[in-house]
Amino acid sequence: EPEVTQTPSHQVTQMGQEVILRCVPISNHLYFYWYRQILGQKVEFLVSFYNNEISEKSEIFDDQFSVERPDGSNFTLKIRSTKLEDSAMYFCASSDQGSSTDTQYFGPGTRLTVL
Amino acid sequence: LAKTTQPISMDSYEGQEVNITCSHNNIATNDYITWYQQFPSQGPRFIIQGYKTKVTNEVASLFIPADRKSSTLSLPRVSLSDTAVYYCLVGDGTGRRALTFGSGTRLQVQP
Repeated sequence: EPEVTQTPSHQVTQMGQEVILRCVPISNHLYFYWYRQILGQKVEFLVSFYNNEISEKSEIFDDQFSVERPDGSNFTLKIRSTKLEDSAMYFCASSDQGSSTDTQYFGPGTRLTVL
Repeated sequence: LAKTTQPISMDSYEGQEVNITCSHNNIATNDYITWYQQFPSQGPRFIIQGYKTKVTNEVASLFIPADRKSSTLSLPRVSLSDTAVYYCLVGDGTGRRALTFGSGTRLQVQP
């Protein structure tokens, strides 16, 4: 069964550093998403992406965040200057049609630790 | 926004049927009900989705009464590997793709 993959599985960084989290969505999917989950808290939506543009974003997704699809397979989340409170699991997801009823398939996540 | 309410936790034993009920009193006419499962340190995994009445797949059944103000996820004959957090999600009526997760129900299956 096709699956979403994410790298790295764990990223440790110093406060103020830039990090790039990488995702490879399912190959025929067109809609891509990033979510995060702070330890012990809810899964929170960050951003959705379609046709090389952001289609929705949450209040969490401020100017320090950016997303990109640099090639035909990767989808990245960049955090420009990390803060302690950015420590969380970051999940990438993809769906093939992007309707509100469409199944989103999640990757295994990247655990980001900001020191 | 359509808000969901689920029990915080449930306990069960292997081989039992587990029913997790979710209330969503303000569900919009065009909203579907979707359930996801999450194991520790993993991404959520789609289980089942429905609009009304009953839906069944190889993993679970979903029961939705006519008023759609609640839904029940039924897991037949649970095993230890079904220990996870189960989330009930409904849309907000606007067709947004962003999934809104609540706190979910933590199911603990004992041997």
